[in-house]
Amino acid sequence: NAGVTQTPKFQVLKTGQSMTLQCAQDMNHNSMYWYRQDPGMGLRLIYYSASEGTTDKGEVPNGYNVSRLNKREFSLRLESAAPSQTSVYFCASTLGQTNQPQHFGDGTRLSIL
Amino acid sequence: KQEVTQIPAALSVPEGENLVLNCSFTDSAIYNLQWFRQDPGKGLTSLLLIQSSQREQTSGRLNASLDKSSGRSTLYIAASQPGDSATYLCAGPRCARITQGGSEKLVFGKGTKLTVNP
Repeated sequence: NAGVTQTPKFQVLKTGQSMTLQCAQDMNHNSMYWYRQDPGMGLRLIYYSASEGTTDKGEVPNGYNVSRLNKREFSLRLESAAPSQTSVYFCASTLGQTNQPQHFGDGTRLSIL
Repeated sequence: KQEVTQIPAALSVPEGENLVLNCSFTDSAIYNLQWFRQDPGKGLTSLLLIQSSQREQTSGRLNASLDKSSGRSTLYIAASQPGDSATYLCAGPRCARITQGGSEKLVFGKGTKLTVNP
């Protein structure tokens, strides 16, 4: 019963470096999401994927790219990391139908120096 | 645009007390409202989802209500325990209807940090 698995759990980057955050779910969910959580700002949606093969921007997509590799996996890439991207990143998934709860991973804590 | 607000930001109560957490939203066309729990250093765990056709949902000592007309939802915790200490977040759909094949984008409140003291 792994649910939603995120890797890595922690990462420190230097400004300008690139990195990909990985997310995988084993619940056969159709929709997947990437959020960032910052103090005082709450959870904000970065990108989402309604179904395999589709992705779309959320509330704060600038500086990020995503790939829905297959039904299980949804990755988030920072091409050139900036200190403003220091945050905790959460991946979530849901069946994709009305009134289904979202299931979250434990997060990736990312610091950019 | 949906906005979700939770007051207070923090709450401290003695063990055994019954308590209510509040959540307000701006778009009354909301079709569901979700409550989550977040423990320190962890992700969110779904507690209850109330559909617009329902007025409340119950799970153990938790009871969540939804009043669309007033734009409010409450999470009632009975007989609180130290293990209930966590941050509780509510979230509603960003749009009045699901789009793009069923993907549901949520707007989250900033949460209420609950501390239950032994």
